[in-house]
Amino acid sequence: QKEVEQNSGPLSVPEGAIASLNCTYSDRVSQSFFWYRQYSGKSPELIMSIYSNGDKEDGRFTAQLNKASQYVSLLIRDSQPSDSATYLCAVFADGLTFGKGTHLIIQP
Amino acid sequence: DTEVTQTPKHLVMGMTNKKSLKCEQHMGHRAMYWYKQKAKKPPELMFVYSYEKLSINESVPSRFSPECPNSSLLNLHLHALQPEDSALYLCASSHHYEQYFGPGTRLTVT
Repeated sequence: QKEVEQNSGPLSVPEGAIASLNCTYSDRVSQSFFWYRQYSGKSPELIMSIYSNGDKEDGRFTAQLNKASQYVSLLIRDSQPSDSATYLCAVFADGLTFGKGTHLIIQP
Repeated sequence: DTEVTQTPKHLVMGMTNKKSLKCEQHMGHRAMYWYKQKAKKPPELMFVYSYEKLSINESVPSRFSPECPNSSLLNLHLHALQPEDSALYLCASSHHYEQYFGPGTRLTVT
């Protein structure tokens, strides 16, 4: 049984600070990892994908992958109130297996 | 363009009704998916179609019947649903591993 674990939060971060979201997964053979953002009442939106160990940056977002520790993280720099949402970590195996999501609140 | 469309946006149906959810993508993706999402829970995989063939059925009850008429379309036929089937039904498509979701159909079974 593949499992993806996330702290459900809420995680409260002041505007302009760095938000750090973490995720662990159980299946050692997993190769593809994703972060989705989901606003209340909307569908998930892909914001980052990462396949190799290390960091991947895209604008204010940085994804980090450590396969030895089975750990994936997402950093959001210069957090904005519009970043307030649920962030879902996902691992690909045929379809996506999602963590329960972390509810992020950016305080103005 | 990473657009996946779904119709209808909202659906209310009785337990004896038959209805269908529709999903369409024009990105040339060869894999399409149905997920179910209950309130405050993550999406759960239901079905995977790869090259128009059903490749994964995650032990979904037979009252849900998927269909892939062509590489751009995916349907989910619903019959004799239960109130606990009320949820957001999400369609996604992918090229390789990155999946793009449609807006979903919010289904209420009365």
